[in-house]
Amino acid sequence: AQSVTQLDSQVPVFEEAPVELRCNYSSSVSVYLFWYVQYPNQGLQLLLKYLSGSTLVKGINGFEAEFNKSQTSFHLRKPSVHISDTAEYFCAVSEYGGSQGNLIFGKGTKLSVKP
Amino acid sequence: DAGVIQSPRHEVTEMGQEVTLRCKPISGHDYLFWYRQTMMRGLELLIYFNNNVPIDDSGMPEDRFSAKMPNASFSTLKIQPSEPRDSAVYFCASSPRGAHTGELFFGEGSRLTVL
Repeated sequence: AQSVTQLDSQVPVFEEAPVELRCNYSSSVSVYLFWYVQYPNQGLQLLLKYLSGSTLVKGINGFEAEFNKSQTSFHLRKPSVHISDTAEYFCAVSEYGGSQGNLIFGKGTKLSVKP
Repeated sequence: DAGVIQSPRHEVTEMGQEVTLRCKPISGHDYLFWYRQTMMRGLELLIYFNNNVPIDDSGMPEDRFSAKMPNASFSTLKIQPSEPRDSAVYFCASSPRGAHTGELFFGEGSRLTVL
């Protein structure tokens, strides 16, 4: 079965600084990878996804992520963060050919952007 | 377009009481999911439905939990009797093609506190 590890539970950063949120996965088969964002008191929203093709994936709000198969990683990056990016970010993985309910979430990384 | 609608947003109840959480998925979505989010365990899938039929309820903690989907526009998650360890945020999500595609649309959640 697949698993997801988000290496940092909290990441504080100053406004306009770059940020990287780390995600590693484990699976014996090919995977699909996702990042979701959860703003305070809201549900999760899909930020970006990797299904196939280019390993660099661009999402909403200026975020991007790079799939690295050899390192089994899917780190999320943004070159310059805003206060409004303060939220919790979840990495998720599903297995190619898996069931329609198969989506495993990481424990989340809380991004705190300070002025 | 209306998103996934959950009610109530907040529920405070005493141990032993029955709790019913409600969800209206996005029209046209064939899949409906119930998740539970806690600090300790993160986001866990409880059960999911496809075309109103429960497909996988292996995540339901115990017999105190039950979920129904009587029609395509309504689902309930019931806890009877409730216990303090059930305190969590419960999310409903719907999807047009299944969670494995990453196309999950979450409601804003129901925050349950059991005293």
